[in-house]
Amino acid sequence: SQQGEEDPQALSIQEGENATMNCSYKTSINNLQWYRQNSGRGLVHLILIRSNEREKHSGRLRVTLDTSKKSSSLLITASRAADTASYFCATANQGGSEKLVFGKGTKLTVNP
Amino acid sequence: DGGITQSPKYLFRKEGQNVTLSCEQNLNHDAMYWYRQDPGQGLRLIYYSQIVNDFQKGDIAEGYSVSREKKESFPLTVTSAQKNPTAFYLCASTLSPGGGYNSPLHFGNGTRLTVT
Repeated sequence: SQQGEEDPQALSIQEGENATMNCSYKTSINNLQWYRQNSGRGLVHLILIRSNEREKHSGRLRVTLDTSKKSSSLLITASRAADTASYFCATANQGGSEKLVFGKGTKLTVNP
Repeated sequence: DGGITQSPKYLFRKEGQNVTLSCEQNLNHDAMYWYRQDPGQGLRLIYYSQIVNDFQKGDIAEGYSVSREKKESFPLTVTSAQKNPTAFYLCASTLSPGGGYNSPLHFGNGTRLTVT
């Protein structure tokens, strides 16, 4: 079952611009994770944010979490062509669930 | 270097044949997972294993089988009972299994299976 729902499905921007992707989910979570997938490759973990955290940074990445709205956003600042990839959010649900549930992803294209 | 190795990268099979996808990790992780990815879709969990000699069905286990005889290996067999086996298969592992998922998943680079 899909838990996270990314928005938009696709995003095309110019190099140097910021890219914002959103993720909404339905049930209470323990944490939310963002992953990147280059075409034809495996996923790479970017950031994990716990349910008691509101914001987290890693280099040019900024993730926010609003548990009252059941949503998260991933901001990539000063984007580069190498940021072109699909980005997925994944939720670890409360209640001891052993599954990490992935959304369908946002396909980001950064044009040089 | 530590990581997860999936082989082969591309696999072609005729309908009706079973096929086994390999996944090996040298990260000393306890938990391993198999996901299926279809074009434009997220990942769907097939099977997972938190410890050697034990595994559980995920959301779409029908037509698949796994084994976990060694900590570092978690092969997936796609059987002839799987109705639509053509897909991209991803293997992953994590240090901290169980509720919470407080450790990230590490992924292999996938096997693209085509069945004709």
